[in-house]
Amino acid sequence: DIQMTQSPASLSASLGETVTIECRASEDIYNGLAWYQQKPGKSPQLLIYNANSLHTGVPSRFSGSGSGTQYSLKINSLQSEDVASYFCQQYYDYPYTFGAGTKLELK
Amino acid sequence: EVQLVESGGGLVQPGRSLKLSCAASGFTFSNYYMAWVRQAPTKGLEWVASITNSGGSTYYRDSVKGRFTISRDNAKSTLYLQMDSLRSEDTATYYCTRDMGARGVMDAWGQGASVTVSS
Repeated sequence: DIQMTQSPASLSASLGETVTIECRASEDIYNGLAWYQQKPGKSPQLLIYNANSLHTGVPSRFSGSGSGTQYSLKINSLQSEDVASYFCQQYYDYPYTFGAGTKLELK
Repeated sequence: EVQLVESGGGLVQPGRSLKLSCAASGFTFSNYYMAWVRQAPTKGLEWVASITNSGGSTYYRDSVKGRFTISRDNAKSTLYLQMDSLRSEDTATYYCTRDMGARGVMDAWGQGASVTVSS
């Protein structure tokens, strides 16, 4: 199975700040990488797919980048509604696997 | 509006069975691969199983292979997950998801069905 190592596990940032979350795959996943946002008590929502494609309706302050085994999610100008947990997922191969998540809080 | 509504969750004893259903609306169900993803309490996300749009092929994670069966009824726009020989480690919220582009990207999620396996 492809292991997804996500960091940091938790993050505290101020409104307006830029934050970056990293995800490392145990092997090359050829940009088969998605990012999801899960707000407290809610279902996950797709943010990014193909490593850098913004899903319909997602604010442009979210962006994804990376290749090979290293990927990142960047949130520019942090808003209060961005408080959530974020998960990366590889879909290059079965079984699909997720990172352990990053819990983002406001400072 | 795309909607996925799960039902059938509950408390069940180890070794018993449970069947989850997911009613889909707002899109042409028969055009999409579908999947179940679960999340244990205060834990991360774990892919469970996927099914092709026709239902002709299915895929499972190793820990549920032989115990869980994913299926669909395209005439009823409904996805199912039959869970047999349940274990305590299957305790989780189970999400029905739509697979965008038949490649593992989950672009729509249900509200989740809670399954607790305990004696």
